[in-house]
Formats: sequence, structure tokens, C-alpha cells
Amino acid sequence: EVQLVESGGALVQPGGSLRLSCAASGFTFTDSAMSWVRQAPGKGLEWVSTISGSGGGTYYADSVKGRFTISRDNSKNTLYLQMNSLRAEDTAVYYCASTVAGTGYFDCWGQGTLVTVSS
Amino acid sequence: DIQMTQSPSSLSASVGDRVTITCRASQSIISYLNWYQQKPGKAPKLLIYAASSLQSGVPSRFSGSGSGTDFTLTISSLQPEDFATYYCQQSFSIHQWTFGQGTKVVIK
Repeated sequence: EVQLVESGGALVQPGGSLRLSCAASGFTFTDSAMSWVRQAPGKGLEWVSTISGSGGGTYYADSVKGRFTISRDNSKNTLYLQMNSLRAEDTAVYYCASTVAGTGYFDCWGQGTLVTVSS
Repeated sequence: DIQMTQSPSSLSASVGDRVTITCRASQSIISYLNWYQQKPGKAPKLLIYAASSLQSGVPSRFSGSGSGTDFTLTISSLQPEDFATYYCQQSFSIHQWTFGQGTKVVIK
């Protein structure tokens, strides 16, 4: 069974940093691109970032480019999102999702982790 | 960015009803359109990919159609577990993927 388990969400002050993790199991991690998708409270879904299976390709939404960094450790089957210079508008539940290569859809999702940016 | 517009934003329906949700893209996305279901407090779940392909394990009462700019998600006979919010997502614009604003299906 495919499982994605996010962790690392917290309350952080504006301008602060946070690193999210997503532990994957039940599938061949290196075969799958991985993404982060977020959802602000009461709002819709927003794609944030994607990384290729090898980690050689990384892609970002304009809203986080230059502030967030996606990475993966294939030896640990773990995906990361390093978030710097956090803003109030980054407050959201962050989901990790496996992403079918070449197609751009998200076939499996974690349960999400809440990031709150507030003073 | 490609804008995705869903209609209606919400609808009320009864168990057994046929429900149709529309998604319109701001430019042609061929068939690069996906549908998700999200229940309160839960992660989204993939229902349909590539406009009309049913994801494994999804009931056959769900179907998708369309191409170019106009797409529909149809639930042929609404079940109690189908009350949720539905999102479309375009995957045409490589690594600049966008979602519709969502359609909430509530009990009449």
C-alpha cells in the first residue's frame, strides 16, 4: 500500500524558515516524481513544487520561487521542502503527492501538514 | 498561467441524482485535464486523469469528458459518500500546473 506521511509543520514567524518532510513507502520511490501542493485555510489547491525521480529536475510556482527548495533523499525514501522567508500568505496545509512522470497529475497524496506563519 | 474556471461553485443534489460539473480552461489544454475529490479534513483523491481515464479503484459512476477548453465531470447516480468538493487541474502547461477553484456538492 502506498503511504505518504508528511511532518514538520509548525507555527513560525514571518521571515522565518521551516523544513517539511514526506516519508514514502509502498512503491519504488525513485520511479516517481514528487510534488508539494498546498491549500490555504478554506481555499483551493495550489501546486507549489515538483522534483524528478532522480532529483535532477526541480520546478517551482512563481509564488515560492527563490524562497522554497525541494529536494529528496532516495536512500531514505524521503521528500523535503525547505521554506525560507516565510510570509503570512504561505499559511496552508502542505500535501506531498506522487506525480506521474510526463503527465502532471497527482495520483497519491499524504494527509498534509499545517504551516502557520504568524507573529 | 492557464486559468481554470469551474461551474457551478456549489450545487445541491439528492442521492440518486445525475450531477455534472464543468471546467473551462483559458486556452486549449488538449486532454491534459484531471479531476480530484476532497472531503473535509482529508487529502484530495484522484478520480479522473487525461480528461476521461478512470483512476484505478474509482467507482464507474464517475466519468469525465471533453477536450480543448471545455470539460465535464459527471456522477451518474450520486451516492452519500460523494458529497465533497471537486477540483479540476490542468497538466498541459509543463510544471506550471493550476487547479480550478472547486465545486462543492452538498445534500439537498
